[in-house]
Amino acid sequence: EDQVTQSPEALRLQEGESSSLNCSYTVSGLRGLFWYRQDPGKGPEFLFTLYSAGEEKEKERLKATLTKKESFLHITAPKPEDSATYLCAVLQNSGYALNFGKGTSLLVTP
Amino acid sequence: DAGVIQSPRHEVTEMGQEVTLRCKPISGHNSLFWYRQTMMRGLELLIYFNNNVPIDDSGMPEDRFSAKMPNASFSTLKIQPSEPRDSAVYFCASSSSDQPQHFGDGTRLSIL
Repeated sequence: EDQVTQSPEALRLQEGESSSLNCSYTVSGLRGLFWYRQDPGKGPEFLFTLYSAGEEKEKERLKATLTKKESFLHITAPKPEDSATYLCAVLQNSGYALNFGKGTSLLVTP
Repeated sequence: DAGVIQSPRHEVTEMGQEVTLRCKPISGHNSLFWYRQTMMRGLELLIYFNNNVPIDDSGMPEDRFSAKMPNASFSTLKIQPSEPRDSAVYFCASSSSDQPQHFGDGTRLSIL
């Protein structure tokens, strides 16, 4: 059975303190790994799709990387506005439904 | 561009009542998904439509739940009768081909 595990569950950073969020997955045939950001009271907002091991994507202070077993979301010099829950999801080759992890709740303090 | 639109944003009702949640997908998207989010279980797929046809409803918890997509621009998720354990945030998402799913802002449902 496909599994997606995110760690840590919660992370508190000082503004400017870089860190990484982890997403470990087991899936029989990965079509894509997705990162979403979710703010309180809002729906998940798409950030990145990664398709193959070694691929990297960047957007402002965020960089997502992918290996055959896990993905990392690196946050460089975060700002308070980066505070949100970050969700990872996988899509199987034979599937259409995203299988989500439970997310990492990130709080960046000034 | 308008995103996925869900209504109502909040619904509070008593156990046993019928609840109808509504979704307008992004124009041109041919796939529509209903998800439920809870603290315990995270985001779970309830049902998936492709070109207005239900493809997979295996995530629908029980017969009290039903979903329809009468046309490409509208879908409903109905719970009848509702129970307190149905309390959650319900999201609708849409996509086209192999593009990422885009989510609405959800309906926060509370069953008393």
